[in-house]
Formats: sequence, C-alpha cells, structure tokens
Amino acid sequence: EPEVTQTPSHQVTQMGQEVILRCVPISNHLYFYWYRQILGQKVEFLVSFYNNEISEKSEIFDDQFSVERPDGSNFTLKIRSTKLEDSAMYFCASTLGGGYQETQYFGPGTRLLVL
Amino acid sequence: AQSVSQHNHHVILSEAASLELGCNYSYGGTVNLFWYVQYPGQHLQLLLKYFSGDPLVKGIKGFEAEFIKSKFSFNLRKPSVQWSDTAEYFCAVPSGRGSTLGRLYFGRGTQLTVWP
Repeated sequence: EPEVTQTPSHQVTQMGQEVILRCVPISNHLYFYWYRQILGQKVEFLVSFYNNEISEKSEIFDDQFSVERPDGSNFTLKIRSTKLEDSAMYFCASTLGGGYQETQYFGPGTRLLVL
Repeated sequence: AQSVSQHNHHVILSEAASLELGCNYSYGGTVNLFWYVQYPGQHLQLLLKYFSGDPLVKGIKGFEAEFIKSKFSFNLRKPSVQWSDTAEYFCAVPSGRGSTLGRLYFGRGTQLTVWP
C-alpha cells in the first residue's frame, strides 16, 4: 500500500538555524498538509497546499515558515530561523481530493529538537 | 473553529477488557468524524470515519464508534482489547462544510496501554 514518507526521522538543530523537513506524499495525491505536535499537546494544523499554492494556513504558520513543492514528488516545510518552541513532531499528510470527507494519509513524522 | 476533546489521556487495561474512549466535538452542524491510531514508532493511520447514515461505524481491527449527535460525541469502543492495541488514539474533525480543504482539528489523544 502506498505510504507518505518523511525525512529525516529526527533532526537536532541550534536555535536560529534553518531547517527543511521533507515529505514524499502518495504519488497520485493532489492535496498536501503539514501538522505539528508539541510534546504533550494536540496535533495542530499548520498549512494546506494545492496546485502549488497555500490554500489555508493557521496562526502558527508565520513568516518563519514556508512550504514548497520543488518537483513532482517532494513537499517541503522550511523553518527559516528556528526557535526553541519549534521543537515538535512534524507530520506531513496528503489526500487525493480536497473535500472535508477525504481521509488524510499521514507520514511517520520528523521529530525536531531545537537547542 | 472546531474543537475536539478527549477526556481520557491515558488508559490502562488488561487484555480482554472492554474499551471505550471518549470524544466530544464542538460544531453543531453536520459533521464528519475520524478516529486515527498511532502505533509505537508508526505513522497516524485511519481507524474509522463517520460521514452520514448509520451512526454506528465499524472500523479496522474490531473497533467501532458511535456518533451521538445530541451529545456531540463520537466514542470509540472495542469489546475485547489485545496487547497489540497499545497505541495512541486520536479523534479528529475537519473544519466543516465551509472549508473546501479538510483541515483537521485533533483531540489531545489517548494513550492506551494494554497489559498481557
């Protein structure tokens, strides 16, 4: 069964550094998402992306964050200047269609630790 | 915006015990509801979902959930748990019919530990 993959599985970085988290969505999916989960807290929506554009973003997704689909397979989340509070598990998800009834398929996550 | 509450943060059961995990949502209109599960070291995967019709939904691995509109609830149940059900369980609701893209609102998750 096709799966969403994410790399790296773990990343440790220094505060102020840039990080890029990578995701490979399921190949025929068209809608892509990023979520994050700070330890002990809820999984929170960051951004959705379709047709090479951001469709929706949350209040968390400020100017320090950006997303890109640089080629036909990868979907990346960039944090320009990491803060301690960016430490979290970051999940990528994808769906075939864009409706609210679509099942989102999640990747295994990237655990980001900012020191 | 939607909000989702899962009141049980950690549930510990012995094998063969019955399970019920609570989930309440805030939106009062027509809703769609999901339960996701995350086994240790694995990704979030869909357990079951409700869109319309029969409020009792059956999912994978013997799980079921009942949508009770009057209670704004979508509780997850399993009559007899197994050690392999040890995982974290998340209830989730999309942002609603006004949204064309299914941004999900998650509950905090319930960690289920099953002792053999």
